[in-house]
This record gives sequence, structure tokens and C-alpha cells, in this order.
Amino acid sequence: DAMVIQNPRYQVTQFGKPVTLSCSQTLNHNVMYWYQQKSSQAPKLLFHYYDKDFNNEADTPDNFQSRRPNTSFCFLDIRSPGLGDAAMYLCATSRLTGDTQYFGPGTRLTVL
Amino acid sequence: AQSVAQPEDQVNVAEGNPLTVKCTYSVSGNPYLFWYVQYPNRGLQFLLKYITGDNLVKGSYGFEAEFNKSQTSFHLKKPSALVSDSALYFCAVRDKGTGFQKLVFGTGTRLLVSP
Repeated sequence: DAMVIQNPRYQVTQFGKPVTLSCSQTLNHNVMYWYQQKSSQAPKLLFHYYDKDFNNEADTPDNFQSRRPNTSFCFLDIRSPGLGDAAMYLCATSRLTGDTQYFGPGTRLTVL
Repeated sequence: AQSVAQPEDQVNVAEGNPLTVKCTYSVSGNPYLFWYVQYPNRGLQFLLKYITGDNLVKGSYGFEAEFNKSQTSFHLKKPSALVSDSALYFCAVRDKGTGFQKLVFGTGTRLLVSP
């Protein structure tokens, strides 16, 4: 089945230790998104890629970076995680930017 | 800028009874409206959307939603609730305008269906 996959499902890191979260998709969608969701709050868009074109939200901290080496994969890099970065990180894809977004299962990040 | 309001933090309903989860929105132009459901420690699962056309939209698992332009609402409904419907429900909106229009989510409504 076509889907959005996130690895790992649970990630524990130490304060200040870089961490990378992974997302892959078999939907062949053009757009990939990263959201941060804290404590069952509304998901907050961090950035998105349209193909290789990176689009950062204005209020996304510089601590958060992303890479999309090919259509199928997208990575979220947190350079120096703080306690406030503990959250669920959701990857989503859509065929075009206006289309329905399909979400992966998320990665829950814990910062010790 | 677009916004979404879900006025109820939690909705309680008995199994077999109809359920409604409320959503109102604000956009400068015409809206695209979505409902997603989230189970514990899982991602968001798409239920249904309104783009244009018939105001009553039918989606997955027996859910439906009615677009009401005059009331700027898009309430989620189901005729007969199941215990397995218990989850967190998010309404979302984006403007139909040109260029990238961010999908904006409401704060979510927790649905609790009791046996």
C-alpha cells in the first residue's frame, strides 16, 4: 500500500545532541511537509518542500533544518535540541500544495 | 489570514447516538476545509474534505460534514457513534488563493464515546 513512513517512531536524545528524523513516501507526491505537534495541540507547520524547493515558515527556529535528497525521502535535523523541542513530529505529503495532505504515524521525540 | 475554531475541547456521546463535532472558520477568500482524526501516538488520518459543490460531504467510516457558507461552519457528524470513534478530531482550513496557502488546524476536539 502507498504510504508515508516515519522512522524511528520514538526517539530519545540528550539536550544539545543533534538528532535526525526520517520520512519516506511511496505516494510519489511532489510536496513533503514537517509539522511539530505538542501535547495534542494543533500541528504547527515547520517547513515544506515542493520538489527540491525548500520553503521555511517565518517562525521556525534556525535550530530546525531539513533535507530532501530525492522525491521519496525527507529528513528533519534538529541541530541542538532543547527541552522545549520535545514533541511529536509529523511528516505529511501531498501531490500538489493545494491537495489533501497524508500524514505519517509521527516520531515522538524526548529530550533528556 | 485563515483561522479555525473548534469551540469544544471534548464531546461526550453514548454509543449508538448521533455525534456532532463543531468547527467554524475564517478565510479571506473561498475555503478548502478538511477533517482529520488522530488516535493516541499516531499521525493524522484524513476523513473528508470540502472543495466545491455539494455542501454535504461524505467521508470515511460513516462520517460526514456539512459546509455552511453563511455560518462559516463545517461541522462533523455521524448518525451512530461507535466506541472506536473515540479519538482527537482536527478541523483544518486553507484559502483557495494563488500560491502556497498553509493548512491551518484547529486546536482539536476530543471525542469520547461511552459503551
